[in-house]
Amino acid sequence: QSALTQPASVSGSPGQSIAISCTGTSSDVGRSNSVSWYQQHPGKAPKLMIYDVTDRPSGVSNRFSGSKSGNTASLTISGLQAEDEADYYCCSYTDSTVGVYVFGTGTKVTVL
Amino acid sequence: EVQLVESGGGLVQSGGSLRLSCAASGLAFSNFWMSWVRQAPGKGLEWVANINQDGSQKYHVDSVKGRFTISRDNAKNSVYLQLDSLRVEDTAVYYCARYCCGSGTSFGYWGQGTLVSVSS
Repeated sequence: QSALTQPASVSGSPGQSIAISCTGTSSDVGRSNSVSWYQQHPGKAPKLMIYDVTDRPSGVSNRFSGSKSGNTASLTISGLQAEDEADYYCCSYTDSTVGVYVFGTGTKVTVL
Repeated sequence: EVQLVESGGGLVQSGGSLRLSCAASGLAFSNFWMSWVRQAPGKGLEWVANINQDGSQKYHVDSVKGRFTISRDNAKNSVYLQLDSLRVEDTAVYYCARYCCGSGTSFGYWGQGTLVSVSS
């Protein structure tokens, strides 16, 4: 049950696009369609941004999109805005042990 | 609107116990899996445990197996986490979360969290 690997930090200027990677194994990200992404501002609870690899909950901006290739999932934020500055975490269901989930290490997004 | 409110956190000595509670409002609590997720100070999120709709299936992360136990009471719209044999490394904010969306395997609703501090 090792954490999924994310870059510690990603930065971009307003209006730019950035991508955050989330690398796992063939037991979790690689064979799961249950990959989700969460945004967390300081002192706040996480917020679901993407579920089932590519889908957005109602109310989440379409500037956020998700994808997956092999053992790596990605979150792309287009048209970067100041309010996007936050920590982002991926999460995957893992088939290695029934019922178990694993989060990513987290990425700090900075808007320059 | 779904609301989750955690309670029961506090300061406890190593080896002690606490019982966390999460009260849910909104429709159909008994239709969903529930989960606990924790976050140590300055660290990332860690999934801790989940429980199915009728409480017959429970799963815990390896690091808490045998020490923590998740349970629920659908009549009270509540989910619980019993924390025994606490260690300093269990110090964290503990969030209650409800699954949602599509395959039902994402944490769509979160509480505000309750802080557990374990001293040596």
